[in-house]
Formats: sequence, structure tokens, C-alpha cells
Amino acid sequence: QSALTQPASVSGSPGQSITISCTGTSSDVGNYNLVSWYQQHPGKAPKLMIYEGSKRPSGVSNRFSGSKSGNTASLTISGLQAEDEADYYCCSYVGSDNFVFGGGTKLTVL
Amino acid sequence: EVQLVESGGGLVQPGGSLRLSCAASGFTFSSYWMTWVRQAPGKGLEWVANIKQDGSEKYYVDSMKGRFTISRDNAKNSLYLQMNSLRAEDTAVYYCTRSFQSGNSDFGYWGQGTLVTVSS
Repeated sequence: QSALTQPASVSGSPGQSITISCTGTSSDVGNYNLVSWYQQHPGKAPKLMIYEGSKRPSGVSNRFSGSKSGNTASLTISGLQAEDEADYYCCSYVGSDNFVFGGGTKLTVL
Repeated sequence: EVQLVESGGGLVQPGGSLRLSCAASGFTFSSYWMTWVRQAPGKGLEWVANIKQDGSEKYYVDSMKGRFTISRDNAKNSLYLQMNSLRAEDTAVYYCTRSFQSGNSDFGYWGQGTLVTVSS
């Protein structure tokens, strides 16, 4: 199972919106509505931000939203803040209770 | 509060073995899928293995099948990962995770991780 494809880096200024894409295939992202997104600050454990494609756990800011179109899932962060600077990973269910992550995207807040 | 605390990491020689443990608290352990995820130094996340609530189903990433064994002890609220025939490329921080809900669709809670270094 190949890793999902994410841009290596994205950037934005405070207050702006950015979108991180996560491209898979019809066997993973396109076949299941089970994409999740994780935020990881340096030296810290990842944190679940979005599950089942577009649902937010309680406590996660509504500035974070998830969506999907075809084989590509997306994470949008609106009203960018300095504390959003982190690495972001997508993950998709691929069947048979297996999962695959994306390569990760480094978000820089300018 | 959900807590996951990994232990058992350390330095091991290539070809050696190591057993990681994860002590869970703050929730009904037997009600959730549990998963190991690893992260090599400076690299991305990699799904390793997961196990169903009652331990009846276990799944592994292909590259670790036959070398790694995931298990759980619901009476002790503990998750384990037995790693054999370790290679340099297994060097990583290993995270214990719990699904957000009772299904198997994500990794809602994470431990702080335990570092495994495979080197001679």
C-alpha cells in the first residue's frame, strides 16, 4: 500500500485560510469516508483534528474542517494562527482493517 | 482522562528483540481497537499494527508481518508489541494509540511514545 500524497509544505499569513490536500486512489481515499487528519508539533505526539472525513472531536477549533472529492481529501484551516504552525498528516482506511498515512505537510505561518 | 503510557523502548542490536508495552487508563480498555504507529527520526507516521477489542483480530503492515506481534491483556489494561529480527530501519518512536470511538477508523488518543534504536 503506497503512502498518500501530501504537499511537503504550505504557508500562509495570520488570518488567511490554507488547504492541505491528501491524494490517494479509488482503493483508499476514494473508496471509504474514513480519512483522518493529525496535527503534530515538534517533539510532541500527534493529535487527532478530523475523523471520518469531516468530523471534529470536541475541543478542536471549528477553524479546522475536512472534505473529500473523489480520491483527494482536504484539510482547510481558516483564520490561520501562529499556533497552527505544525506538521499535518492525513490517514485513510484501506480495507481489511489496514491504514495508510500521507507523507506529511509542514505548515508555516508567516 | 484517557492516558496511554508506553515503555520498553531502548537500544537493541540488529537481529535482536524488544517488547513494548502500553499501559492504558481512564477508559474501558476492552471496548476499543488499539493500534501501534511509529515515526522514524525526522520522518512521517507509519501505521504498524492494530488489534480488535477482544484480541480476536490482528492486522499488520506488510513489511512487519512475521517479525512483529501485537497483543493485549484486557485484564491488565495493557497493549504490547513484540518485535523480533529488528533492523536499523525499525528505529523509530513507537506510539500506542486508541481509536476515537469503538470502531476502527482513526487514532483518537496517543501516548507520548517510546524510542526504539536499532544499532550495533
